[in-house]
Amino acid sequence: KAGVTQTPRYLIKTRGQQVTLSCSPISGHRSVSWYQQTPGQGLQFLFEYFSETQRNKGNFPGRFSGRQFSNSRSEMNVSTLELGDSALYLCASSSAGGLGNEQFFGPGTRLTVL
Amino acid sequence: GESVGLHLPTLSVQEGDNSIINCAYSNSASDYFIWYKQESGKGPQFIIDIRSNMDKRQGQRVTVLLNKTVKHLSLQIAATQPGDSAVYFCAENIMTGYSTLTFGKGTMLLVSP
Repeated sequence: KAGVTQTPRYLIKTRGQQVTLSCSPISGHRSVSWYQQTPGQGLQFLFEYFSETQRNKGNFPGRFSGRQFSNSRSEMNVSTLELGDSALYLCASSSAGGLGNEQFFGPGTRLTVL
Repeated sequence: GESVGLHLPTLSVQEGDNSIINCAYSNSASDYFIWYKQESGKGPQFIIDIRSNMDKRQGQRVTVLLNKTVKHLSLQIAATQPGDSAVYFCAENIMTGYSTLTFGKGTMLLVSP
């Protein structure tokens, strides 16, 4: 069974631009969560989607948004990029989400904002 | 590979030693805990989990201990190998039905042959 895939793996953008990152969960998994990882703040939860609905959201500004499609694939979008958005963005999938279901992480997308 | 963190606490051990990585969690309402391993250039990989109704759980070469009184979690790795070198994160979750994980800052484990 293929693992969680994320595209692209690396991305360079400039301030003010927007970016869209993609995540394909493990086949059969319906929950997709997104995390931001930086050296200063560590791993921080962005949001979780389940069956195309956002179920939970972390403490990030509205410039960060996401969606989930009927095939469970998910995208996250960051608008009006700032230098501080440079980070590794990780996607994790689980079968049902919550209640201790194991989350499987993808390799991440490394975003650099210049 | 990508650096997952700068200025992380680092534990350096020799191959064959036992390693103990500690974690203090923040929320007394957390009832599910997970240890993840992250190698350079990769996403976090599940190692072992424990629910709050337990104080110890063993896996293959790994043991997790939970002390709810002082909100402390530890990961013990037996007979540490060079392949165990990575950053280790503890994560906590309140089992309310959502997958939100709150991660610790991480500890870098360096294993010398």
